[in-house]
Amino acid sequence: KQEVTQIPAALSVPEGENLVLNCSFTDSAIYNLQWFRQDPGKGLTSLLLIQSSQREQTSGRLNASLDKSSGRSTLYIAASQPGDSATYLCAVNRDDKIIFGKGTRLHILP
Amino acid sequence: KAGVTQTPRYLIKTRGQQVTLSCSPISGHRSVSWYQQTPGQGLQFLFEYFSETQRNKGNFPGRFSGRQFSNSRSEMNVSTLELGDSALYLCASSLASSNTEAFFGQGTRLTVV
Repeated sequence: KQEVTQIPAALSVPEGENLVLNCSFTDSAIYNLQWFRQDPGKGLTSLLLIQSSQREQTSGRLNASLDKSSGRSTLYIAASQPGDSATYLCAVNRDDKIIFGKGTRLHILP
Repeated sequence: KAGVTQTPRYLIKTRGQQVTLSCSPISGHRSVSWYQQTPGQGLQFLFEYFSETQRNKGNFPGRFSGRQFSNSRSEMNVSTLELGDSALYLCASSLASSNTEAFFGQGTRLTVV
């Protein structure tokens, strides 16, 4: 059974710092991995999608990596801003079903 | 290009009642999946539809059901509501299947009293 774990559960960092969020999954047989952002009470915003054959994806200040063999992914946020404060969710996709981690609540201190 | 639209945004129901939630996917997307989000359990998969057929189902009781119409719009129904059904219900659409990116709606906040 696929399980997705995100560490840490919560993180507070000063504005301007670079940071890394971690995601691990137990079954490496995935089609893709997706990182989402969720603001309180809102839906999910897709940040980056990494196909199983890819190693990383970049969008602006965000960079996500995937090591399928070890069951790990990281989301790197460069030069953090207060607007980056949100919950970040990692999700793996297989057999038309997405399994989510519990998320990392990120707070950027002005 | 319009995103995924879920209606209604908020809903309050009484225990024992039933409820129907609606999801309109992005134009051209044929796969629609549903998720329940609660503080304790996080996001849990309910079911996925493609071309009006349910392809996958999560571990939820039979009170939770869904369907998809020929225009790809989907509805989710919960019968005999329980207090524990209070949650944010999210719908996601994607072009076809597993290799494609999923886009989520804003969700329907269901409160059962």
